[in-house]
Amino acid sequence: QKEVEQDPGPLSVPEGAIVSLNCTYSNSAFQYFMWYRQYSRKGPELLMYTYSSGNKEDGRFTAQVDKSSKYISLFIRDSQPSDSATYLCAMDLNLGAGGTSYGKLTFGQGTILTVHP
Amino acid sequence: DSGVTQTPKHLITATGQRVTLRCSPRSGDLSVYWYQQSLDQGLQFLIQYYNGEERAKGNILERFSAQQFPDLHSELNLSSLELGDSALYFCASSIRTGGFTDTQYFGPGTRLTVL
Repeated sequence: QKEVEQDPGPLSVPEGAIVSLNCTYSNSAFQYFMWYRQYSRKGPELLMYTYSSGNKEDGRFTAQVDKSSKYISLFIRDSQPSDSATYLCAMDLNLGAGGTSYGKLTFGQGTILTVHP
Repeated sequence: DSGVTQTPKHLITATGQRVTLRCSPRSGDLSVYWYQQSLDQGLQFLIQYYNGEERAKGNILERFSAQQFPDLHSELNLSSLELGDSALYFCASSIRTGGFTDTQYFGPGTRLTVL
């Protein structure tokens, strides 16, 4: 079983819909949680990052972490055709009291999202 | 454009061969990371270098090796290639040694096809 599970979709929604993307994980040592967006034939780009449980909002995007359930989510409000991409969750460990990590990101499989006009 | 460059864009080779993938990090970035992306395994961390030194290793095969040169560019060497090595190989770079707030910027990738 993979350390990080993500439904690959594909997910198809109409423009303006609220999109919910989710990942579950098994390693309780993961402390840092990220969402990357990958357009076709491009490298992943960081969308948002969060530390520990709670919510973080950035424009139309909200990242949510529930460490007790080992579950993270990304919500996209008022989705646009330009949001069509693969969304990857990524996680990293907390290696010490200083809160450092190596940057050995563990990624989910990615969810393919299409927003149609 | 992330500022990370990778060459070549595409590589087609035969089983048993050896190839070298090249990565130039963003200006000022000291860390370079290599990842492999395949349909069945997803995006997987291979190895990280910081300022010329190996810093972290993932599930990198013994047939694969990497290095970071004094000018901070990095090369990933893949030898005795097998069909299963066909994948997208990404390089990423970051300013520091890695970590939560040390954003990794990914290059456009090299698509390797082993026939």
